[in-house]
Amino acid sequence: AQSVTQLGSHVSVSEGALVLLRCNYSSSVPPYLFWYVQYPNQGLQLLLKYTSAATLVKGINGFEAEFKKSETSFHLTKPSAHMSDAAEYFCAVSDRGGTNAGKSTFGDGTTLTVKP
Amino acid sequence: DTGVSQNPRHKITKRGQNVTFRCDPISEHNRLYWYRQTLGQGPEFLTYFQNEAQLEKSRLLSDRFSAERPKGSFSTLEIQRTEQGDSAMYLCASSTGQGTSEQYFGPGTRLTVT
Repeated sequence: AQSVTQLGSHVSVSEGALVLLRCNYSSSVPPYLFWYVQYPNQGLQLLLKYTSAATLVKGINGFEAEFKKSETSFHLTKPSAHMSDAAEYFCAVSDRGGTNAGKSTFGDGTTLTVKP
Repeated sequence: DTGVSQNPRHKITKRGQNVTFRCDPISEHNRLYWYRQTLGQGPEFLTYFQNEAQLEKSRLLSDRFSAERPKGSFSTLEIQRTEQGDSAMYLCASSTGQGTSEQYFGPGTRLTVT
């Protein structure tokens, strides 16, 4: 069974500061990993995904994440926070193949607040 | 590409009533997923379809819940005899089911049961 743990349900940073959102996963097979962003009353938008190519993945809006197999982590970072980054962020894991391919297990989310 | 659409966006109903939600996936996507999201939680998997076949249902999907995808295109999720605990955001997503199986999410239907 797969699982995702997001450490810290709330993260607050100042505008221009580094953003670090933590995600650890558990999977019996090499997984696909995703980060999504959700704005209030909206669906989820994909920020980036890890699919076994480069371990450092670059996404939209200046976000990136690094896959570390030894630490079973996939932390999300952004060098300089912008006010528009304030939202809820979800880490997700899914199987690579078979009938469960694409079915995702999500973490409980991290709410990012950006202070002016 | 019109994206994934869901209707209605909001639904308020009284306990005991039946409700039905619709999801229209991206047209070339043959996989369709339903998730439920409650406040402060991540989306929880409910069920998914490969074309018109329902391949898996979560234990979260009680007998009061039923989902269909009759022609392998749009899907409906019906909740019978709604309970206050059914209040949540119901999210639909679609994917090609191939490669990285990236999912594209709709805006969700927010259900409030009074």
